[in-house]
Amino acid sequence: QVQLVQSGAEVKKPGASVKVSCKASGYTFTGYFMHWVRQAPGQGLEWMGWINPNSGGTHYAQKFQGRVTMTRDTSISTAYMEVSRLRSDDTAVYYCARAQLYGSSWYFDYWGQGTLVTVSS
Amino acid sequence: DIQLTQSPSFLSASVGDRVTITCRASQGISSYLAWYQQIPGKAPKLLIYAASTLQSGVPSRFSGSGSGTEFTLTINSLQPEDIATYFCQQLYSYPPITFGPGTKVDIK
Repeated sequence: QVQLVQSGAEVKKPGASVKVSCKASGYTFTGYFMHWVRQAPGQGLEWMGWINPNSGGTHYAQKFQGRVTMTRDTSISTAYMEVSRLRSDDTAVYYCARAQLYGSSWYFDYWGQGTLVTVSS
Repeated sequence: DIQLTQSPSFLSASVGDRVTITCRASQGISSYLAWYQQIPGKAPKLLIYAASTLQSGVPSRFSGSGSGTEFTLTINSLQPEDIATYFCQQLYSYPPITFGPGTKVDIK
């Protein structure tokens, strides 16, 4: 069965960086794009970008360009998402999500359990 | 960017009721819409894509309809396990990927 298992909660100070991992199993890791979506406390869903695990190619939402880096390690079927120069408004649950291409966009058929990142001085 | 609105933002209904949630797009998106359910404290779960196609394993009491700018998610016979927030997502235009603000469903 498809599973996406994310790393544990993090507490970081403003200005620091955080790297979240997402280990995939139950399917061919390189066969599906992986997206990242975040959710601030009590708020809606905000798309951050994607990585193509096959090529390593990435695309980031404009808001996050220059501050977010997505990478992968195909040998262990794991995707990573790093946010630098953290601010208090980056406090959120970060999700990885396997994407299914539909038309010119994607929907997300499997999600990780989420990783809470708290930014506080 | 395509904007999505949802109504109502909150609803309370009784077990067994039929519940309808509406998602409206700021421009026509054909049938390029998905619906997700997010139970409190859990990750979102895909319910429907292509406006009306039920994802495998999702109970048949969930259904989706609509095209263009107005879409509905219907829960026939609301169950206690359906307490959740429901989000729509447009699949028509990329980038960016956008979601609706959510509709919280509670049991009376």
